[in-house]
Amino acid sequence: SQTIHQWPATLVQPVGSPLSLECTVEGTSNPNLYWYRQAAGRGLQLLFYSVGIGQISSEVPQNLSASRPQDRQFILSSKKLLLSDSGFYLCAWSARRRDEQYFGPGTRLTVT
Amino acid sequence: AQKVTQAQTEISVVEKEDVTLDCVYETRDTTYYLFWYKQPPSGELVFLIRRNSFDEQNEISGRYSWNFQKSTSSFNFTITASQVVDSAVYFCALSEELNAGNMLTFGGGTRLMVKP
Repeated sequence: SQTIHQWPATLVQPVGSPLSLECTVEGTSNPNLYWYRQAAGRGLQLLFYSVGIGQISSEVPQNLSASRPQDRQFILSSKKLLLSDSGFYLCAWSARRRDEQYFGPGTRLTVT
Repeated sequence: AQKVTQAQTEISVVEKEDVTLDCVYETRDTTYYLFWYKQPPSGELVFLIRRNSFDEQNEISGRYSWNFQKSTSSFNFTITASQVVDSAVYFCALSEELNAGNMLTFGGGTRLMVKP
């Protein structure tokens, strides 16, 4: 069966510090991968998606970036965090011929 | 462009009551897919159901049921005999067929609070 992992689970970082969140998927190959952000009490905002290694599409221009160095690994990064980057970050995957996405446990990021 | 609207921001019910969560969507595609997800307090989104636009049969899974009506562009979700464990935020989502990356358009979510 497929599983998706995210780490860390929680993170507190000062403004201006770098960020690296990692997501890995097991039990499937060539998945589509997604990064979402959810501000407190708000809906889901798609940040990036990837249909293959090295292929990243950005939905929202901001100071975040994403990379996919391996088939089942998706990384969300920032060189300098802003207060507005605080939120709950969710990684998700979907199979190529299916639309439903399966979500990881999320990372709660607080920028202070 | 596609859009999903969940007009109910918050619903509060007492345990054992039935509750219906509304979802209205907009799309120009004739082939599309609709979804419901549950987000419990832990935060992880849990996939509940996927429906394609050609299948208007209602679906029942235990205490959960879904009513898809193309005529009103709605895909409503009913929980029968609600329980405290049903307390969560519920998201409705839409995916259009010609959609690179299988992206979903999510509604704003409905927070359901079930009180004992």
